[in-house]
Amino acid sequence: DTAVSQTPKYLVTQMGNDKSIKCEQNLGHDTMYWYKQDSKKFLKIMFSYNNKELIINETVPNRFSPKSPDKAHLNLHINSLELGDSAVYFCASSPTGGGTRTAFFGQGTRLTVV
Amino acid sequence: GDSVTQMEGPVTLSEEAFLTINCTYTATGYPSLFWYVQYPGEGLQLLLKATKADDKGSNKGFEATYRKETTSFHLEKGSVQVSDSAVYFCALSEGSGTYKYIFGTGTRLKVLA
Repeated sequence: DTAVSQTPKYLVTQMGNDKSIKCEQNLGHDTMYWYKQDSKKFLKIMFSYNNKELIINETVPNRFSPKSPDKAHLNLHINSLELGDSAVYFCASSPTGGGTRTAFFGQGTRLTVV
Repeated sequence: GDSVTQMEGPVTLSEEAFLTINCTYTATGYPSLFWYVQYPGEGLQLLLKATKADDKGSNKGFEATYRKETTSFHLEKGSVQVSDSAVYFCALSEGSGTYKYIFGTGTRLKVLA
């Protein structure tokens, strides 16, 4: 029974298109995150949400719009895709706020923009 | 701001060799420290963690001790296996309510049979 699941696992699309990645967690956590992993494996936080409310937006271009319909779901919509958006995107969740608590990660979505 | 610095990889070892991956951190408060592992094509999994100074986290033969005086959390394993080949990430999270985990750049480990 997958704890944090993302779909799709792979996404290949053309520049200028709009795409969405979905994320769901069944751990009962209040906080969810989106991270971007670049080609050198560097992981950078993009957004964090707590109980459906945006807490952190790490200067991400406004082409990226997260949406949290409920605390178990955090989707990522990307408009006007650019070549530089190619990366692996990870969804994660944790009990409220993180701190001492462990974050659980999804399998990742490999986005390739051509 | 807070940051995590890891040793550059890749690290290549023979099976049964001793492993150390260095990790140091900068934080304003008293963070919790984590090691995550990423196997090829997979997401990150928690390997171990420590939440206060002098705590030792351990799992699957891996250990790391939270050293506040040296702001370090080095990962060690006495005898690596081929199946340990992966990318290892050191991370920190400040107190509850910070809503952020900060990761190091990752260290790729390759273990040869």
